[in-house]
Amino acid sequence: GAVVSQHPSWVICKSGTSVKIECRSLDFQATTMFWYRQFPKQSLMLMATSNEGSKATYEQGVEKDKFLINHASLTLSTLTVTSAHPEDSSFYICSARDLGTHTYEQYFGPGTRLTVT
Amino acid sequence: QQQVKQSPQSLIVQKGGISIINCAYENTAFDYFPWYQQFPGKGPALLIAIRPDVSEKKEGRFTISFNKSAKQFSLHIMDSQPGDSATYFCAASMWARGGTSYGKLTFGQGTILTVHP
Repeated sequence: GAVVSQHPSWVICKSGTSVKIECRSLDFQATTMFWYRQFPKQSLMLMATSNEGSKATYEQGVEKDKFLINHASLTLSTLTVTSAHPEDSSFYICSARDLGTHTYEQYFGPGTRLTVT
Repeated sequence: QQQVKQSPQSLIVQKGGISIINCAYENTAFDYFPWYQQFPGKGPALLIAIRPDVSEKKEGRFTISFNKSAKQFSLHIMDSQPGDSATYFCAASMWARGGTSYGKLTFGQGTILTVHP
């Protein structure tokens, strides 16, 4: 089946620093990837849609200058949290759709736990 | 109009029992309704999904019932097992109309299922 990986699985950073999270589709190509944020015991909230070769589309209320998204290839999207603050601590999850299928199914990565101290 | 409302918030079932989780939506443009299972610290995994042109879909112990006129859909887990203990999310997305909402998943609030042995 289609596999999506994320790296790192968890990261701790100091307030004011930046951290990059990678999302890779391992065995399929994805023109579109989605980035979600999930706070403890809450649902997933879509942050942005990442499109290969073009600018990401951000959801209302998400700061595009703070959450930089780059989708440089059909198998890799990155999310960079710039000038991180403790309130950015969360579980970040990406998903991708297999370009080669005609289904609506999205495959989710295992998530990245970010802790900002 | 983009919301998906899920209930109950938590559910306790005995082993072998039936677990039922309900979701309701407002936006009639939604045309894909998946259910996801999430274990602590992991990304969501697709369980089963349905399109609005069918009223029921069954895969193993999991069944989706879909009521288009009522704009409701539900997940039934038959013969619930302790290993089913997890958080379940319903979701909805629209594909046919395209545009900026193309493929975006809107999640319900989640249901924490506990199956006692």
